Amino acid sequence: EVQLLESGGSLAQPGGSLRLSCTASGFTFSNYAMIWVRQAPGKGLEWVSVMTARVSGGNAYYADSVKGRFTISRDDSKNTLYLQMNSLRAEDTAVYYCARRPNYHHSSGYYYDYLDYWGQGTLVTVSS
Amino acid sequence: AVQMTQSPSSLSASVGDRVTITCRASQGINNDIGWYQQRPGKAPKLLIYAAFTLQTGVPSRFSGSGSGTDFTLTISSLQPEDFATYYCLQDYSYPLTFGGGTKVEIK
Repeated sequence: EVQLLESGGSLAQPGGSLRLSCTASGFTFSNYAMIWVRQAPGKGLEWVSVMTARVSGGNAYYADSVKGRFTISRDDSKNTLYLQMNSLRAEDTAVYYCARRPNYHHSSGYYYDYLDYWGQGTLVTVSS
Repeated sequence: AVQMTQSPSSLSASVGDRVTITCRASQGINNDIGWYQQRPGKAPKLLIYAAFTLQTGVPSRFSGSGSGTDFTLTISSLQPEDFATYYCLQDYSYPLTFGGGTKVEIK
């Protein structure tokens, strides 16, 4: 059974740092791209960051709202995805979800990505 | 960045109703769109990917359609467990962008 378990969320001060973890089980973690998505209280979903599988280059992509402040990484030996969050702002307050991002090879040759398994989320609150 | 305009933002419907939710992309996205359901306090759940493909285990009353820039999620006969918020997500180009969500409420 595929499981994703986020941890590390807590109360942080503006300008502070936190590191979120997402521990995976039930699948070969190293074969998959992984993603962070967040949801501010009462708001919609917002994409934060993606890291591709190492076999696909291990590339990282970021939303403009977090670029330069957040760093995504992965430790395939520990089946764990990380999000290092620095220079935190009040607007970073949200539930942070990790999700698995497989792709589907269509007959056209195009690869479609999607988010098939999600963790339960971890709450980050930035406040003084 | 590709903007995803989702409509309506909310709707009221009865059990058994046919419900349609639309997402319009600001540019072509090669059908690279997924639909997600989120119940209160829960993580999102994948319903449809690649515009039309039903995720394994998702009831067949859910379907996706569209092409170019206009895409639709249809629930053919609304069930009590379908009252939730629905989001589209374009996975065609970075930054990935979600629609604003559609809250489906009980009439």
